[in-house]
Amino acid sequence: QVQLVQSASEVKKPGSSVKVSCGASGGTFSSHTINWVRQAPGQGLEWMGKIIPIVGIVYYAEKFQDRVTITADMPTKTAYMELTSLRSEDTAVYYCARDRESDIVASYGMDVWGQGTTVIVSS
Amino acid sequence: EIVLTQSPGTLSLSPGERATLSCRASQSVNSRHLAWYQQKPGQAPRLLIYSASSRATGIPDRFSGSGSDTDFTLTISTLEPEDFAVYYCQRSGGSPYTFGQGTKLEIK
Repeated sequence: QVQLVQSASEVKKPGSSVKVSCGASGGTFSSHTINWVRQAPGQGLEWMGKIIPIVGIVYYAEKFQDRVTITADMPTKTAYMELTSLRSEDTAVYYCARDRESDIVASYGMDVWGQGTTVIVSS
Repeated sequence: EIVLTQSPGTLSLSPGERATLSCRASQSVNSRHLAWYQQKPGQAPRLLIYSASSRATGIPDRFSGSGSDTDFTLTISTLEPEDFAVYYCQRSGGSPYTFGQGTKLEIK
């Protein structure tokens, strides 16, 4: 059974960058899409983007297009999400989540989630 | 961007009752691209239903999903104490994937 293990919580200054990792243990990695979803304190879920490791295709939500980079390293079974030009509104829990099934464009449910990484942006 | 609107915002029920949660889309959604998640405080979301009506692995059969086009429903037939949580619908037919704002199911 695959598990996704994320990096530890971070505190960042406004204007800086953060890079969150998501490592897969057990099961396959490259054949499943990895999504990144964030949740601000007391708020709902917000999809940021996804990567299909086996073909290296990446999609980003337009809102984050200019500031986010999602990558994957297949030998280490690790996905990364880097967010730049941080502002206070980026304070949130960031989750990675694996698609149970997907094609190039669509997802058919995210069935395995990381434990979440808290990123606090504060001066 | 397709907007998902969930109702009610909060639903107050007792264990043993039936819960009906609604998710309405601003445009037609392919039912294959509609999912439901449960989230408890301090935990990551859990996939309950995918493709509008298929239960994910390990999900009890008291959870069921239905609907098509712009109207989708999550039904919990008989509420158990562990079912009180926040529920989100999500469409994922193309970027951006969007979530509803959530329905909080609380104990009455």
